[in-house]
Amino acid sequence: QLQLQESGPGLVKPSETLSLTCTVSGGSISSSSYYWGWIRQPPGKGLEWIGSIYYSGSTYYNPSLKSRVTISVDTSKNQFSLKLSSVTAADTAVYYCARHHWNDDPGAFDIWGQGTMVTVSS
Amino acid sequence: QSALTQPASVSGSPGQSITISCTGTSSDVGGYNYVSWYQQHPGKAPKLMIYEVSNRPSGVPDRFSGSKSGNTASLTISGLQAEDEADYYCSSYTSSSVVFGGGTKLTVL
Repeated sequence: QLQLQESGPGLVKPSETLSLTCTVSGGSISSSSYYWGWIRQPPGKGLEWIGSIYYSGSTYYNPSLKSRVTISVDTSKNQFSLKLSSVTAADTAVYYCARHHWNDDPGAFDIWGQGTMVTVSS
Repeated sequence: QSALTQPASVSGSPGQSITISCTGTSSDVGGYNYVSWYQQHPGKAPKLMIYEVSNRPSGVPDRFSGSKSGNTASLTISGLQAEDEADYYCSSYTSSSVVFGGGTKLTVL
């Protein structure tokens, strides 16, 4: 059974870079047709898609975050990662990693990690 | 891109049916048959309930159904049960991007 698990610092200082990793277990991140995405949810608020990556390295980013986001993949470790630069308090959120089919229904994330809370504070 | 518009809250009694709307534009909801719906219980990750407007993933009860008319998609839950009380989010594809709705809190009275 495929599982995703987010990991990374729970506290990041303002203006620094937030870095998270999602480890895929029970299956290969190199499976054809699947993309791997990051979604976040500020406390008490709705979901926001950050971006997604294919195992080949092809990426799609949310236009509103694109200038600060980098998503990368490491197929040897079955992991993909998120970097969000110049963070502010507005980036405080639960960050989820999830799987989806970009070429079918790009918004249909069928397997999710449990989420990890990241707080931006000095 | 702007978030899709959902009602902040809806409610219903056990056994009743409710419908949650998700309004976008011709650039997202109206332009593609790529609308999904998620159920999220407090402290949990979202769960995919509907994809491609009206398809249910394996394991999702057929009490959950989706539809679309123009720029508005809808999620209908029939035979409401206590465990359906949760937050619900829609999502849509738009111009090489994904946009979510603001979420709807469903209360089962």
